[in-house]
Amino acid sequence: QKEVEQNSGPLSVPEGAIASLNCTYSDRVSQSFFWYRQYSGKSPELIMSIYSNGDKEDGRFTAQLNKASQYVSLLIRDSQPSDSATYLCAVNDLDTGKLIFGQGTTLQVKP
Amino acid sequence: DVKVTQSSRYLVKRTGEKVFLECVQDMDHENMFWYRQDPGLGLRLIYFSYDVKMKEKGDIPEGYSVSREKKERFSLILESASTNQTSMYLCASRTGGSDEQFFGPGTRLTVL
Repeated sequence: QKEVEQNSGPLSVPEGAIASLNCTYSDRVSQSFFWYRQYSGKSPELIMSIYSNGDKEDGRFTAQLNKASQYVSLLIRDSQPSDSATYLCAVNDLDTGKLIFGQGTTLQVKP
Repeated sequence: DVKVTQSSRYLVKRTGEKVFLECVQDMDHENMFWYRQDPGLGLRLIYFSYDVKMKEKGDIPEGYSVSREKKERFSLILESASTNQTSMYLCASRTGGSDEQFFGPGTRLTVL
């Protein structure tokens, strides 16, 4: 059973701090990794994709991928209350072409 | 921008009714997906389609069927709704050359 694991949280950080969200996956051959943000009662929104080892930056967001250790993380710099949401990690399954989602980490940014 | 729309944001149905959930995407995507999302259970794949007239069972297809007669439209059908199908239903689409999936706004279905 291929799995994607995230700490459910909540992760609470003060406004302006760096929030660090982590995700581990079981399938060693996965090639594509995604972070989705989901506000309460809304649908998931794709915010970052990463395919190669290392860091990928987009504004205040940085995705980090380490395939050898099978983890992917999302850093949010200068966290804002509007970043409060659940963050879903997703990993592709090469065998089926489907995405495997983690359960999500709830982030709370306190003013 | 990719736009995925779903026919209803909120829907209330009675046990035993036949329910149709519609999803439309405007980006000429080949692949479309139906998920349900429940607290504590995360996102679970119900059915997906790689192309028109094609369908594949996901992880929890029981009690559901799908239809894809046109490329832009993917319908989820609950043949006889039951209370345990009360959930948030999410449609997603992607182009065949990518793993990035884009979600619609979701339909919150309540079965009484």
